[in-house]
This record gives sequence, structure tokens and C-alpha cells, in this order.
Amino acid sequence: GNSVTQMEGPVTLSEEAFLTINCTYTATGYPSLFWYVQYPGEGLQLLLKATKADDKGSNKGFEATYRKETTSFHLEKGSVQVSDSAVYFCALGNFNKFYFGSGTKLNVKP
Amino acid sequence: NAGVTQTPKFRILKIGQSMTLQCAQDMNHNYMYWYRQDPGMGLKLIYYSVGAGITDKGEVPNGYNVSRSTTEDFPLRLELAAPSQTSVYFCASRAGTSPEGYTFGSGTRLTVV
Repeated sequence: GNSVTQMEGPVTLSEEAFLTINCTYTATGYPSLFWYVQYPGEGLQLLLKATKADDKGSNKGFEATYRKETTSFHLEKGSVQVSDSAVYFCALGNFNKFYFGSGTKLNVKP
Repeated sequence: NAGVTQTPKFRILKIGQSMTLQCAQDMNHNYMYWYRQDPGMGLKLIYYSVGAGITDKGEVPNGYNVSRSTTEDFPLRLELAAPSQTSVYFCASRAGTSPEGYTFGSGTRLTVV
């Protein structure tokens, strides 16, 4: 079947620290992988995506690489800001459906 | 602005009442979805539709109904509301079968008391 597993939060970092949020998946076929961000009181917004193995998605300083050999799609950012505080969801898209991880809350302190 | 519009943003229902959550998109997307997000949890798929006149159940369809009479609209109906349906409901849409992500609405926060 299809599923996504994310590291549990919350993750608390100081401003300018390095961020990694782990995401692993199981899937049939050749899924696309996504990271979504949810700011307080808002819906989910697409942050980045990768559609095939070894693709790297990037946006707003965030990056994630589609690793088929380790079935992973870890989210990274070199220097986080207070404005990055949000909940981050890893997702897998396969055929007509998406499968979301449980979300990881990131708190960035000044 | 183009996107997914959900109404209402907030609603309080009494146990046993019914209501319809509205969702409309103006991007001509074929695929539309309803999710619920319980506090501190991820999203669970309630129902989805791959086009007008076609709907299918997701992970947690019990207590809900949907219809898709037009490409633009995908309302979610709650019959006989229960406290377990207290949640935030998100509607989303996607174009075709390409590996594109979803566009989400801003959500409806529902409390059943």
C-alpha cells in the first residue's frame, strides 16, 4: 500500500539553525512526493515537489531530494527564520490519491 | 483570485443537526477532495471526485455525503452531526492526473456540541 511516515514534533530551533525534517514512504508504482506547509489558521500550501527518483525540489530556501533507494524525502533548510514556524506535511501522490504524513510542527525562536 | 473557496469558515452545530460545507474552485480542476484534520493530527480523506457526476469514498466517509453536479462545486453534507465530527475540514482540487499538487481551501472549523 501507500503511506508516509514523518518524524514527530514539535521541533524547536533557534533562528539561523539548520533544519531537517525526516520523511519516509512506502508506495506502489512511481509516486510523486511533496512537502506542504500550514501556517496557523490557514490551509496547506505546496512548498516543493519532486516527481521522480533523484529529483530535487526547492523553494524559499527549502530543499528535498527524492531518494528511491532509501524511500525518503527529507526536508532541509540551511538557516531557518522565525517566519518558518509552521506545520510541515510530507505527502505522496499516486494515481488519484494523496497520502499525507501526520505533520511536524516547527517552532523557530529568535 | 483563483483558487478554492470554502464556506463557512466557522460553524457550531448541535448534536443531530445537519449542514452542508460548500467548496468551489475556479481553476477547471477535475479532481476535488474533502479532508478532515483533527487537532494535532494529519489529514484524513473523506470523499473525492474525479469529475462531475463521479464521487468515491476515502478513508473516513461514515457520517458524510457528497455530490458533484458541476466541475466547480463539491459540497460536503453532514447528516446527524456528532461530537466526533468536530474538526477542521479542508477542500482541495487538482488538475488531471499529472503529478501536480493540490490547491487547498482555507478550511472550515466545525464544532459539534
